[in-house]
Formats: sequence, structure tokens, C-alpha cells
Amino acid sequence: EVVMTQSPATLSASPGERATLSCRASQSFSNNLAWYQQKPGQAPRLLIYDASIRATAIPARFSGTGSRTEFTLTISSLQSEDSAVYYCQQYSAWPLTFGGGTKVEIK
Amino acid sequence: EMQLLESGGGLVQPGKSLRLSCAASGFSFNNYAMGWVRQAPGKGLEWVSAVTGSGTGTDYADSVKGRFTISRDNSKNTLYLQMNSLRVEDTAVYFCVKRRAAAAGDFDYWGQGTLVTISS
Repeated sequence: EVVMTQSPATLSASPGERATLSCRASQSFSNNLAWYQQKPGQAPRLLIYDASIRATAIPARFSGTGSRTEFTLTISSLQSEDSAVYYCQQYSAWPLTFGGGTKVEIK
Repeated sequence: EMQLLESGGGLVQPGKSLRLSCAASGFSFNNYAMGWVRQAPGKGLEWVSAVTGSGTGTDYADSVKGRFTISRDNSKNTLYLQMNSLRVEDTAVYFCVKRRAAAAGDFDYWGQGTLVTISS
């Protein structure tokens, strides 16, 4: 099983600041990685797939990079509505696995 | 508009069974692989099961293998999850998910979820 580890567990930043979220895989793979955003009481929403492609209607301030075992989600300029938990997910191997999540708090 | 609507959750005792349903609309259901992802209270996401568009191929997380069965009725645009021998640790919100593409394992649409509580 590919174990996905996210860091930090919590990130606190002010509106307009840049946020960098990390996701590390226990095994190397190319780009079969997705990022999701989940707000309280809501279902997750797909942000990024194939490590760097924004999903439909996702704002350009969200970007994804990385390959092999290191992946990053960057929010270039935090907005209040970005307060949420962010999960990475690998789909390179079965079983599909998610990271434990990073909670983003807006100061 | 694409929509996934789960139903069938509730409170059941350990060892009992429950069947979840997910009614899909707004897309060609039979063209897409589907699945279930769950989230225990206050915890992260866990993939549970997947089924191909035709329904002939299925896969399960080890934690539910042998107890849960995924299926679909393409004539009714509905996905199912039959859950048997339920355990306390199966308590979670269960999300119905649509895979973005046949060759991809990410999920571009999620239902709102249905809560399953296993308790005596």
C-alpha cells in the first residue's frame, strides 16, 4: 500500500499570503496524484488531478507540482474562503490511498 | 447538472447488514467507473470500493473485503453498497464518488454522503 503523508497538519496564514502544502508518498510514481478541498459539513471537491492540472472551475490561485514521492499544493494568495482541510490522493496503485489532510486556517 | 444522491444510512447494531444506494443523474452513468469513499467522524478519507462502468470489475479495501459488495444497475443509474457483518469501526459518512475517467483513479464528483452508525 502506498502511504501518503501530508504536512503540516495545520497551517495558519493571513489573507493574501502564500500557502504551501506538502504530500509525500512512500513509493515513487509519476503523476497520478489528486488534491481535494473539504469544508466543514461538505463533501470533498476535486482541485487538482494528474499532479498539476486544475479541475473545472478551480481558481488559478491553486496550483500543483511534483512527481515521484514529493508533491505540493500551492495557494498563491489566500482568501477567506480557502479555509478548509486539503487532502492528497494517489491513484498510481491499488488500493487508492489518501493523505491524512492539512487544515488551512485563515488568520 | 451532475448529481449523486446517497441514501440508506442509519443506526444498526454490530453484526447486522445495511445497503446504501446512490442515485446518479446528469451524466452517462454506464460510461463511468464509480466507487465509495468513507470518512469516520473527525477523521480523514478512506477509499472503500470501486466498480467499473459495466459492473463486471470490482475492487475493495482490505478493511471491508469479504464483508462489503459493490454493484450497480445501469438501467436505473444507481450504485449500491451492500454492507454485511458490520463493525463499530465501519461507522462513517459514506460518499458515493464518480471517477473522472476510465484510466484515472481520482474522483471529480461526490455525493453529500450518508451517515452509517454501528452501535449496540
